[in-house]
Amino acid sequence: EAQVTQNPRYLITVTGKKLTVTCSQNMNHEYMSWYRQDPGLGLRQIYYSMNVEVTDKGDVPEGYKVSRKEKRNFPLILESPSPNQTSLYFCASSLGGQTSGVFTDTQYFGPGTRLTVL
Amino acid sequence: KQEVTQIPAALSVPEGENLVLNCSFTDSAIYNLQWFRQDPGKGLTSLLLIQSSQREQTSGRLNASLDKSSGRSTLYIAASQPGDSATYLCAVWTGGFKTIFGAGTRLFVKA
Repeated sequence: EAQVTQNPRYLITVTGKKLTVTCSQNMNHEYMSWYRQDPGLGLRQIYYSMNVEVTDKGDVPEGYKVSRKEKRNFPLILESPSPNQTSLYFCASSLGGQTSGVFTDTQYFGPGTRLTVL
Repeated sequence: KQEVTQIPAALSVPEGENLVLNCSFTDSAIYNLQWFRQDPGKGLTSLLLIQSSQREQTSGRLNASLDKSSGRSTLYIAASQPGDSATYLCAVWTGGFKTIFGAGTRLFVKA
């Protein structure tokens, strides 16, 4: 089954304790992206990746890191989480990317990770 | 900077009514526009994707239109049902390969 998976689904942590949220897709998609969703603000893009080793900032990258060492995986790293990073996080992937240069395919979303930073 | 606005923020209608959700964007240089549905506490489900060269897309009771020149898209839902109750989000893919979402319209269909 084609899907985007995220782990963990729920996480409660404390300020300053480094954490990683994993994202994996099995559709051989080039494009992957991370979003956060906050009440009243909709989804805001954190980082995106056009291909392996190619990443770029979205609208709200501060406090986050990403890496794309393999095509299927795109982990989100919070080096020193703070309470303002409490949010619902979504990973997404799409067929288009650096190689094709086109974005004619839909974005497929993971189930979300609810993060609480105390 | 691209901005996406959805109006209304919330909508309550009786079952069976036809309804229109609106999405507007400030920069017409987009690759495509996508409509999603989100149920409470859940992920996003893609409903319709309209390429920048297209005017509309249809799927079942849903019809989405795109007018790039005016920076507008509408999602038309025919014969609404209680199961249509959810938040509807529109998103545009920009020339910089970023995706910008609207804040969504929360729809409640009363039985």
